[in-house]
Formats: sequence, C-alpha cells, structure tokens
Amino acid sequence: DQQVKQNSPSLSVQEGRISILNCDYTNSMFDYFLWYKKYPAEGPTFLISISSIKDKNEDGRFTVFLNKSAKHLSLHIVPSQPGDSAVYFCAASVRDDKIIFGKGTRLHILP
Amino acid sequence: DVKVTQSSRYLVKRTGEKVFLECVQDMDHENMFWYRQDPGLGLRLIYFSYDVKMKEKGDIPEGYSVSREKKERFSLILESASTNQTSMYLCATNPTGWAEAFFGQGTRLTVV
Repeated sequence: DQQVKQNSPSLSVQEGRISILNCDYTNSMFDYFLWYKKYPAEGPTFLISISSIKDKNEDGRFTVFLNKSAKHLSLHIVPSQPGDSAVYFCAASVRDDKIIFGKGTRLHILP
Repeated sequence: DVKVTQSSRYLVKRTGEKVFLECVQDMDHENMFWYRQDPGLGLRLIYFSYDVKMKEKGDIPEGYSVSREKKERFSLILESASTNQTSMYLCATNPTGWAEAFFGQGTRLTVV
C-alpha cells in the first residue's frame, strides 16, 4: 500500500517555463514533507522541505505547496533550466521515524 | 558538510555469494537507512537503525540483514545473493529530530 504517490512517471517542460511536480499521500500522521532530486548513478540530494504547519515554502526557483485537506503537495520550479532534468522524489515522514519515498517523476527540460 | 560514503560504486557478484555493502558517515548521526532504487518502484526502505546495535525492518527486508556495531557504520548484508537483488543500493543518515536525510553516492550491484 503506497503511502506516498507520484502518479506521473515523467514530465517534459520547455526551458524557461514552469515545472510542476505533484505528489499525494495517504497517511495523515505525516508531519514533514521533502523533495529530493536524483541524477543517474548518484545518490539523491535534498532539495526543499515543508512542515505540516505551513502551506508554502520557497527557496530560490523552488517552491513547495502543501494542501493538507487534499493530502497533496506540489513542487514548482520556475524558470526551468536544463540542469533541472533529473528524477524528483517526493518523501514524507513522521518526525524521528522512517522516511517514505514515492516512485519518482522523471523531469525532462526541453531546449 | 555531511559525508556519507559507500564502500563501492559498482559491484558484480555471483548468485549465492554473501555480499557486504558498507556505509560510513562522519557526522555522528543516530539514524541510518538502507534503500534500494529500481525503475518504476522508486526508493524502497530495506532496513534502518536508530542506534548502535539496534535495527528495524523496512518495507522489503527479505533476503537482507544489517549490522551496526559502531555508530558511524551501517552494513547491509545479502546472505545469498540472487539476480532479483540486482539494484542501486543507497545509504542515508540523519540525526534524531531531523527529517532531512543525507544520502551516499549509491552502489550499483549486479548479481549474475
């Protein structure tokens, strides 16, 4: 039973436009949500996170939105750049417990 | 900067071999995790540990065991490697009270 779902395996976006990656979760106990970025043959790197007490967190070109009532979060990247092409993993945790990852979304930034 | 080092980037082993994957972190973090990544399946948790000599099963522990004799080192053991254990293995760590985990560079294991 998947607790963290990324329903889009891949996404293609034109360079300079906005990339929106979506994630849904089922466990209402999650209190922390994270996005990781992964290039081939490398470990995931932490990108941005949000606590369940907030609905938005911004860091440069990256913004994460959390809608607790819908159990949905999204990552916005604007403007999208070629180096953003990677697999993005959504993750969730109850603090001090294990981190649960989604299946990932492969983002392609088109020239 | 947190450094999480996995002993090998690429490994090829034969079916039935006992395989050891080592992970070392240099930040005195309490928590350590082993994940595997497979296409279409994302990152799945195999085992994790909150402290020395403590271990907890993750979502897919079958065919694996772990050892944590020292705080900085967390080993994943494939008791008898099988071809369905061919995968990318990722070690991660974080301190108690943090949600963000820091990952190693990964070990691409191929079992032939």
